[in-house]
Amino acid sequence: AQKITQTQPGMFVQEKEAVTLDCTYDTSDQSYGLFWYKQPSSGEMIFLIYQGSYDEQNATEGRYSLNFQKARKSANLVISASQLGDSAMYFCAMREGSRYSSASKIIFGSGTRLSIRP
Amino acid sequence: GAVVSQHPSRVICKSGTSVKIECRSLDFQATTMFWYRQFPKQSLMLMATSNEGSKATYEQGVEKDKFLINHASLTLSTLTVTSAHPEDSSFYICSASRTGGSPLHFGNGTRLTVT
Repeated sequence: AQKITQTQPGMFVQEKEAVTLDCTYDTSDQSYGLFWYKQPSSGEMIFLIYQGSYDEQNATEGRYSLNFQKARKSANLVISASQLGDSAMYFCAMREGSRYSSASKIIFGSGTRLSIRP
Repeated sequence: GAVVSQHPSRVICKSGTSVKIECRSLDFQATTMFWYRQFPKQSLMLMATSNEGSKATYEQGVEKDKFLINHASLTLSTLTVTSAHPEDSSFYICSASRTGGSPLHFGNGTRLTVT
């Protein structure tokens, strides 16, 4: 069975510093995708970044990058130059199966609450 | 703009009544949609996978007679909480994706309060 683990329930970071949010996963599939979502207090789920299991390079999206260590089964999110608006819950998620199958379910980790200090 | 629309955003109902939540994909056809439930300060727990034209697939521990899912068209899935009780109060959120390699797009969620 697939599993996502986020070991940091909460983190405090000074504004403008970089922060790394940890995520490890467990799956027996060779083909899978890893996602990070941000959930502010309003409740909406905001997609941040995606990494496919066969992607050789780490994904990057603006200030977000994903440190993908396949052998260690980790997919840490790195936020550079943090901003006050980055304060939110962050969820790591995984989808197993073919990348072209929209029927594969996605499961979420327990989340990390990030708080940015001014 | 939003690609998945969820309605209503907030509902308060009395114990014993049923509540229907709609989830629409706005600019793509979704043969599969997912329904999640989130308790305060917790993660999203997958309740069921909604399949267009066929029965939903429920996760272990989720009562299919309690949480009725209908996916009658390629752009609409509905979740009905039947005979709601206070313990059903929660944040319900739906999602869909264009392809498996695409991210899940989420609706804005429905906060259900059962009094």
